[in-house]
Amino acid sequence: SVLTQPPSASGTPGQRVTISCSGSWSNIGRNTVNWYQQLPGTAPKLLIYNSDQRPSGVPDRFYGSKSGTSASLAISGLQSEDEADYYCAAWDDSLNGYVIFGGGTKLTVL
Amino acid sequence: QVHLVQSGAEVKKPGASVKVSCKPSGYIFTSYTLHWVRQAPGQRLEWLGWVNASNGHTKLSQKFQGRVTIATDTFARTAYMELNSLKSEDTAVYYCARDLGGYSGYDLDYWGQGTLVTVSS
Repeated sequence: SVLTQPPSASGTPGQRVTISCSGSWSNIGRNTVNWYQQLPGTAPKLLIYNSDQRPSGVPDRFYGSKSGTSASLAISGLQSEDEADYYCAAWDDSLNGYVIFGGGTKLTVL
Repeated sequence: QVHLVQSGAEVKKPGASVKVSCKPSGYIFTSYTLHWVRQAPGQRLEWLGWVNASNGHTKLSQKFQGRVTIATDTFARTAYMELNSLKSEDTAVYYCARDLGGYSGYDLDYWGQGTLVTVSS
């Protein structure tokens, strides 16, 4: 099983950017999706859980959604500090069950 | 505030074992599940498993079963991840992370700073 993300995305300050995550029925199709932000040299930070919930402290510029076997992360009002790697994650029911991560999307703020 | 502090970087030879510790603070240790995730240089995140800190039960990725041990020491309020039979491909930053306790069981809201494990002859 794999979660497929575009390797890169970009936008200018103030724009809205969307990052996709494509999976299958064994992962996104049956389970919730998380999104993490990873700045260079740091640990990942939870941005979205339960597909569309934001932990406290995460701005509402970050919006998560899920439909069928795909999920998306939308970032509105893009800021320079949003430049980072973004990973989706879900539980996969195959192979006795495990957490699967996407390949990551590097977001560049132009 | 919640912090997860991990042990320092390790350099190991192929075939050896490595044990990484993770000491959380700022919450009741036995109330949350702890996960272990690794990231090889330039690669995606990879899940190794979790341990329920209240009862010590573990769930391991099938890929690492037989080679990884995840456990907790409740008295020391510390979690451990031990990986055996190291290969060069195991060179990575290893993270511990706390599940926030929601429905899914894998919402990782606090992470350790990471421990670089280098496997080289």
